[in-house]
Amino acid sequence: TAGITQAPTSQILAAGRSMTLRCTQDMRHNAMYWYRQDLGLGLRLIHYSNTAGTTGKGEVPDGYSVSRANTDDFPLTLASAVPSQTSVYFCASSGGASTGELFFGEGSRLTVL
Amino acid sequence: GQNIDQPTEMTATEGAIVQINCTYQTSGFNGLFWYQQHAGEAPTFLSYNVLDGLEEKGRFSSFLSRSKGYSYLLLKELQMKDSASYLCAVKDSNYQLIWGAGTKLIIKP
Repeated sequence: TAGITQAPTSQILAAGRSMTLRCTQDMRHNAMYWYRQDLGLGLRLIHYSNTAGTTGKGEVPDGYSVSRANTDDFPLTLASAVPSQTSVYFCASSGGASTGELFFGEGSRLTVL
Repeated sequence: GQNIDQPTEMTATEGAIVQINCTYQTSGFNGLFWYQQHAGEAPTFLSYNVLDGLEEKGRFSSFLSRSKGYSYLLLKELQMKDSASYLCAVKDSNYQLIWGAGTKLIIKP
């Protein structure tokens, strides 16, 4: 079982360009999340989705948007990248917002120059 | 505000025991998680505590005291492969996870 797949694994992006990080899960989990991880800081929630068709803002949503058209896919879009968005991005899923542990994708390392 | 505190880095010897502490202040409590993260990899689930007491799982144990806002992860019989970061996270009243910055554990032979 693949679990959660993220793409790309790494990307260098010019400031001002747009970028979509893809995330697909095959566990039929209801809840999905996007986090960023920066050195010295805990994982910070960008956006989440408790079920297909719904999304919510996390702790650091500015500059990012998400959609949840179906259960399996949860893409994260940077409309106009800035250097402060240089980070490692993790997609995660769980059986429900109030239940169970998170399963993480392998991460996408994004560098904005 | 909500806050999770854990030591930045710890060093221990192969074969020994190490305890990684985590203190938290959150709006509500719906469980505490420990995750392991090797360098360059994704976090993986280790343990979950929602009631006070000790949960044992092989070489790893996790303890929770809700009244003290305190948890620890105990690793026994340390192996070199245990070198990793250990992340403490608490689910708040909205069922959102609040994460600590992680404790980098260095195992020396």
